[in-house]
Amino acid sequence: DIQMTQSPSSVSASIGDTVTITCRASQGISRWLAWYQQKPGKAPKFLIYVASSFQSGVPSRFSVSGSGTEFTLTISSLQPEDFATYYCQQADSFPFTFGQGTRLDIK
Amino acid sequence: EVQLSESGGGLVQRGGSLRLSCAASGFTFINYAMTWVRQTPGKGLEWVATMSGNDDSTYYADPVRGRFTISRDNPRNMLYLQMNSLRAEDTGIYYCARDGVGGANWFDPWGQGTLVTVSS
Repeated sequence: DIQMTQSPSSVSASIGDTVTITCRASQGISRWLAWYQQKPGKAPKFLIYVASSFQSGVPSRFSVSGSGTEFTLTISSLQPEDFATYYCQQADSFPFTFGQGTRLDIK
Repeated sequence: EVQLSESGGGLVQRGGSLRLSCAASGFTFINYAMTWVRQTPGKGLEWVATMSGNDDSTYYADPVRGRFTISRDNPRNMLYLQMNSLRAEDTGIYYCARDGVGGANWFDPWGQGTLVTVSS
């Protein structure tokens, strides 16, 4: 199975800050990676699919980069609604696997 | 509007069975593969099973293979997960999700989830 590792596990930031979350795959997955956002008590919400740059109505302050084994999600000019937990998911091969999550808190 | 709504969760004894349902609306159901994902205290988000839209292909995670069965009723826009021989580690929130366009393996949207609790 492909292991997905996110860093950091948690980060505190202020409104207006820029935050970068890293996701590493245990083997190359080209650009077959998706990012999700989850708020407490809610289901995960799809954000971006790296391979096609497909975004589901996501503000432009969210951007992604990477390929192979290392990927980043950058959120610029943090807004109050961005404070949540973020997950990456490899979409390269079965079994699809998720990172452990990065919790983004307000400082 | 695309919507998914799960039901069927609950409290069950170890070794018991449950059948989860997912009602889909707002899109042409047969055109999309569908997936179950669970969120457990021990392992976080975990992909469980996927079923193709129209050729009955199914795929399972190793921990559930042989115990869980994914199925769908395309005319009724319904997705199911039959769970047998339940274990404590199966406890969690179960979400159904639609796969990406053209069979891309991302999941959007997700249902609100249904809680499964397996007691010992």
